[in-house]
Amino acid sequence: AQKITQTQPGMFVQEKEAVTLDCTYDTSDQSYGLFWYKQPSSGEMIFLIYQGSYDEQNATEGRYSLNFQKARKSANLVISASQLGDSAMYFCAMREPFFNKFYFGSGTKLNVKP
Amino acid sequence: KAGVTQTPRYLIKTRGQQVTLSCSPISGHRSVSWYQQTPGQGLQFLFEYFSETQRNKGNFPGRFSGRQFSNSRSEMNVSTLELGDSALYLCASCPGTGVTGELFFGEGSRLTVL
Repeated sequence: AQKITQTQPGMFVQEKEAVTLDCTYDTSDQSYGLFWYKQPSSGEMIFLIYQGSYDEQNATEGRYSLNFQKARKSANLVISASQLGDSAMYFCAMREPFFNKFYFGSGTKLNVKP
Repeated sequence: KAGVTQTPRYLIKTRGQQVTLSCSPISGHRSVSWYQQTPGQGLQFLFEYFSETQRNKGNFPGRFSGRQFSNSRSEMNVSTLELGDSALYLCASCPGTGVTGELFFGEGSRLTVL
C-alpha cells in the first residue's frame, strides 16, 4: 500500500509569495518521522525539515514550516517568501520506527516565477 | 565533515553487463541505504546495511545486491543489466536507528543502460 501521497505533480508560485505543498501518509505505527527533501536538477537530495509523530508543535526551519495534522495524517510543507532558488522537486518522506527505511512520495515540482 | 560520496557519478553500460557502485558514508554513520530513482517509479528503497548486515531489502530482483565493509563503506552491484535499470542510484547514510534524524544523501550515480 502506498505510504506517502503527494497529489500535486507540479506547482507554480510567484516569487516572494508563500506556497503549500501537500503530503498525506498512511501508517499504523504510533511512532514515526516525517521529512521533506528538496531535489534540485543536480540530483542531490537536500534535507529541509523533520516532524516527529509525538511532536505537538509544528516544525519550523527558517522559511520552511511543516503543517502537521496527525488526525488527518497530513504533513504539508509551507515555504514562505518563495525565492527563484526554491525551484526544484520536493519530496515528502516517512521513516519507519527502528529501521532506516524511508518511504517517499512521488514528488512535487515547484516552479518559482519572477 | 565530509558528506556522502558516491562514485562514479555517471556511467554508461550495455545490456547484459554488470555494474558496481560505491558509497562512502559520513564518518561515524553506521547505516547505509540505497535508493533507485526513475521518472516512472520515483524513489524506491533497494536495501539498507547496518554494521555490515543487510537489515532491510526492497522489492527488487536478485540481480541487485550490495554489501557493507567494516569501515561502513558500501557497494551495490547490478548484474545482467536491463534497459529498465537506467536510473539515478542514491546512497544515503545516517548514524543509527529510530525515527529521528534525517538521511544524508550523496549526489548519486547516474546509470544509463544502452
